[in-house]
Amino acid sequence: NAGVTQTPKFQVLKTGQSMTLQCAQDMNHEYMSWYRQDPGMGLRLIHYSVGAGITDQGEVPNGYNVSRSTTEDFPLRLLSAAPSQTSVYFCASSRHRGSFNYGYTFGSGTRLTVV
Amino acid sequence: ELKVEQNPLFLSMQEGKNYTIYCNYSTTSDRLYWYRQDPGKSLESLFVLLSNGAVKQEGRLMASLDTKARLSTLHITAAVHDLSATYFCAVLLETSGSRLTFGEGTQLTVNP
Repeated sequence: NAGVTQTPKFQVLKTGQSMTLQCAQDMNHEYMSWYRQDPGMGLRLIHYSVGAGITDQGEVPNGYNVSRSTTEDFPLRLLSAAPSQTSVYFCASSRHRGSFNYGYTFGSGTRLTVV
Repeated sequence: ELKVEQNPLFLSMQEGKNYTIYCNYSTTSDRLYWYRQDPGKSLESLFVLLSNGAVKQEGRLMASLDTKARLSTLHITAAVHDLSATYFCAVLLETSGSRLTFGEGTQLTVNP
């Protein structure tokens, strides 16, 4: 099993460009989420999904869109990139919605730089 | 709003020594997680603590949870260089989208 796969691993964008960060999991996890990691701030939740067709906002959703058309995929879209979105992005999934007794599995991350 | 605080944020220790990392959180929760992150890498799950008094051990690391004190500890025994990494605690808040709220992380350096 691949676990949680994120692509690309690195990306440089110009201000105003848009792009999609891909996330796929092969563990049949119901719950998927996107976090961003910034120095000294730990990880912060951007958006999450409790199942196909269901998404909701996290702590820092502005400037990002998500969709969940299948159980496996949870892409994150940057609508108009800004330098403040320079960060490392992690996708995470979890086995049991409402229980989380197994914790979360994280992808390898996407390092995004907006110039 | 749930706040999670770790201390210390930076820890430099010698091989063979013992030390404890503390994780305090502000709101009742009975699910606490510890993760390890190596530079430029993803987060690796270390421990999942699900109830008051839970204690889990793996090698030189032992984690415990006191939900009444809202405190978790990660104890390092006889540190070795391979334990050098950043350690995060995270608390689950099910009422906020099952969000994991992370501490700032403790950057551990074990010197030979």
